[in-house]
Amino acid sequence: DGGITQSPKYLFRKEGQNVTLSCEQNLNHDAMYWYRQDPGQGLRLIYYSQIVNDFQKGDIAEGYSVSREKKESFPLTVTSAQKNPTAFYLCASDHGGEAGELFFGEGSRLTVL
Amino acid sequence: AQSVAQPEDQVNVAEGNPLTVKCTYSVSGNPYLFWYVQYPNRGLQFLLKYITGDNLVKGSYGFEAEFNKSQTSFHLKKPSALVSDSALYFCAVRDRRRKLIFGQGTELSVKP
Repeated sequence: DGGITQSPKYLFRKEGQNVTLSCEQNLNHDAMYWYRQDPGQGLRLIYYSQIVNDFQKGDIAEGYSVSREKKESFPLTVTSAQKNPTAFYLCASDHGGEAGELFFGEGSRLTVL
Repeated sequence: AQSVAQPEDQVNVAEGNPLTVKCTYSVSGNPYLFWYVQYPNRGLQFLLKYITGDNLVKGSYGFEAEFNKSQTSFHLKKPSALVSDSALYFCAVRDRRRKLIFGQGTELSVKP
């Protein structure tokens, strides 16, 4: 079945450590996105990529980094520079047109100890 | 700037009653509007979208939404609520650079 796979589902990190969240899609979608979800704040866009080897900052990119070396993969690194990294992270993809809906993964919950 | 507002943090409905979850938007040009549902600790699931055409859009699980251009609204509706409809609902609008802008979310609680 086609879909988006995020891993790990749950992750614990000590302060000062970088952590990478995986996002893989087999939907042949051109565009991929990373969102952060905090209670009462909806979803905020971190980074997005509309084509391989290209990506753009979203609204809250500070303290995060991404790469898009393959069409299927869009990993997100939460660096030690992110001041408040504890959150639920959602990866999504779409075909790249204006009218298409996003398809979401199941999310990764990061907790900083 | 493009934006979406969901004025109610929570909506409470009795099972079998109709439900409405409100959404208003602000965009320049023609809006592309979406509704998603999220169950606890899960990703978002697409319910329906408005692109053009008929103002009443039908979607998954018996949900529908009414696009009202004069009121810049896109309210989500269902004629008869189920307990299993209890979840977090998000309205979203596509902005000029194709990013999807989400509302804050509305928690729907359906009681038996």
